[in-house]
Amino acid sequence: AQSVTQLDSQVPVFEEAPVELRCNYSSSVSVYLFWYVQYPNQGLQLLLKYLSGSTLVKGINGFEAEFNKSQTSFHLRKPSVHISDTAEYFCAVITSGGYQKVTFGTGTKLQVIP
Amino acid sequence: GAGVSQSPSNKVTEKGKDVELRCDPISGHTALYWYRQRLGQGLEFLIYFQGNSAPDKSGLPSDRFSAERTGESVSTLTIQRTQQEDSAVYLCASSLAPGMRTGELFFGEGSRLTVL
Repeated sequence: AQSVTQLDSQVPVFEEAPVELRCNYSSSVSVYLFWYVQYPNQGLQLLLKYLSGSTLVKGINGFEAEFNKSQTSFHLRKPSVHISDTAEYFCAVITSGGYQKVTFGTGTKLQVIP
Repeated sequence: GAGVSQSPSNKVTEKGKDVELRCDPISGHTALYWYRQRLGQGLEFLIYFQGNSAPDKSGLPSDRFSAERTGESVSTLTIQRTQQEDSAVYLCASSLAPGMRTGELFFGEGSRLTVL
């Protein structure tokens, strides 16, 4: 079975500063990895995903994530955050080619400070 | 519509009443999930349907919670004898079969349940 760990429950960062939201996963087989974002009072939407190929994945709103198989990580980064990036971010994993359900991390609340 | 549709969007009920929440997934999506999100909290997995396989009910918090899905279409989540701790947003999501090269979930806007 797979699992996902998001160690940081809250991350405060000043506007225009860089940010990294950490995600580690555990699985005995190959996986697909996702980051979802939930803006205040809204549903979840996909930010970016890794299926295969290049380990650096670019998503919407200037976010990117890097798949590191040896460290079983999929950290999310943005070089310069905006107030509008204030949201909750969820990392998720599913085993590729299997029929297991998607597993979500517990989420990280990003608070951008003006 | 093209997205996942949930109804009602808001439901206020009295403690002890039963409620039914509905989810209409994207056409062709064989996988369907229900999650609960309490105020300020993360996603709590409730139940997972995949095609005609037996559903994964491992996340249902008590026998007051049940869910049904007819084929690969609409799903209903039923909460019997509601309690105040059931107050939350109930999110539904659907996806193509996990065996396909995707796994991306498409979420509905959620049903906000308030138990007085």
